[in-house]
Amino acid sequence: QKEVEQDPGPLSVPEGAIVSLNCTYSNSAFQYFMWYRQYSRKGPELLMYTYSSGNKEDGRFTAQVDKSSKYISLFIRDSQPSDSATYLCASVSGGYQKVTFGTGTKLQVIP
Amino acid sequence: DGGITQSPKYLFRKEGQNVTLSCEQNLNHDAMYWYRQDPGQGLRLIYYSQIVNDFQKGDIAEGYSVSREKKESFPLTVTSAQKNPTAFYLCASRHQGGPTDTQYFGPGTRLTVL
Repeated sequence: QKEVEQDPGPLSVPEGAIVSLNCTYSNSAFQYFMWYRQYSRKGPELLMYTYSSGNKEDGRFTAQVDKSSKYISLFIRDSQPSDSATYLCASVSGGYQKVTFGTGTKLQVIP
Repeated sequence: DGGITQSPKYLFRKEGQNVTLSCEQNLNHDAMYWYRQDPGQGLRLIYYSQIVNDFQKGDIAEGYSVSREKKESFPLTVTSAQKNPTAFYLCASRHQGGPTDTQYFGPGTRLTVL
């Protein structure tokens, strides 16, 4: 079992839709959670970063962490074609020995 | 501009050859990382370095070697011992001021074995 599980998609939505991207993790030592966005043939760019359970909002993006169920989510409101990319969730333990990445979910927003 | 640069963007290698991928950062970050990305497998850690002249193996270090002679540079050599080197290689760096400091990635190098 992978420590971080992520549905690879692809996920296709119409422009303006609310997108929900999800990951589950199994390692109870994970304390920090990140979402990266990766455009095709580019390096990942950090999108959101969270520590505690609850929601963190940044513009159209909301990251949600539920440590009790080991579930992390990224919501995108008013999705745009420019949001079309692969979204990677990642987790790291408090000692920061290494970052564990999900396999990524490919999102396509159709105009 | 501050950032991480990787070169070349595309690299072709004949079987049996060693090749070296360059990674340079001017962010004054202490730690640097090399990942390999294959379709459906996400990012897998090859090597990482938390300080100059020191580095540790990641999850898939076999067939790879690194050096860290300067803080800003962390080259990766893909040796002929790596059985399946065709992949997208990503370098990352991180300031080690605290556990909340996150990794930032370079643009990647796509290596193809002919």
